[in-house]
Amino acid sequence: RKEVEQDPGPFNVPEGATVAFNCTYSNSASQSFFWYRQDCRKEPKLLMSVYSSGNEDGRFTAQLNRASQYISLLIRDSKLSDSATYLCVSFRGGNNRKLIWGLGTSLAVNP
Amino acid sequence: NAGVTQTPKFRVLKTGQSMTLLCAQDMNHEYMYWYRQDPGMGLRLIHYSVGEGTTAKGEVPDGYNVSRLKKQNFLLGLESAAPSQTSVYFCASSRGQLNEKLFFGSGTQLSVL
Repeated sequence: RKEVEQDPGPFNVPEGATVAFNCTYSNSASQSFFWYRQDCRKEPKLLMSVYSSGNEDGRFTAQLNRASQYISLLIRDSKLSDSATYLCVSFRGGNNRKLIWGLGTSLAVNP
Repeated sequence: NAGVTQTPKFRVLKTGQSMTLLCAQDMNHEYMYWYRQDPGMGLRLIHYSVGEGTTAKGEVPDGYNVSRLKKQNFLLGLESAAPSQTSVYFCASSRGQLNEKLFFGSGTQLSVL
């Protein structure tokens, strides 16, 4: 089992829809989390950081559930430009600190 | 403000050839990283550096070498390229901690025939 798991999708939604992705993690030493956005054949870019229970930035909301070990990303009022792959990343602390990358969830927003 | 710049953007090598990928950042970041991204494998860390003159192995270091002679530059070398090294390579940097925002370069598509 991968340490960070995501539903690969694709999620196909109409413009204006609300869509949510979940990312599960298996290591309780995970301290903080990140959502990166990656457009096709481009570099990942940070969308949101989550250091405590959650974070909100405009149409994007991330929520962390430590008890169930998952983090979600909610996108409201989807735009065509939101079409991308969304990568979930956990920072594992302790003696073997490292970033653990999920494989990503693909989102296609349709007109 | 250029951010993180990688060169070249594309390269085709024959098995056994060598090459160096160049990464430069102008943000005065301490940490720099080299990742490779393959379908179904996600981003995997090859090597990283926590400061000028330092390097460390990541998850998949075999077949690669790195150097960080200057703070702003991080070089990735392939001494004898193999088809298994066909991938997209990303350089990244961060200010000073692993759990901070990573800034990525635009990537290098490398094919080894």
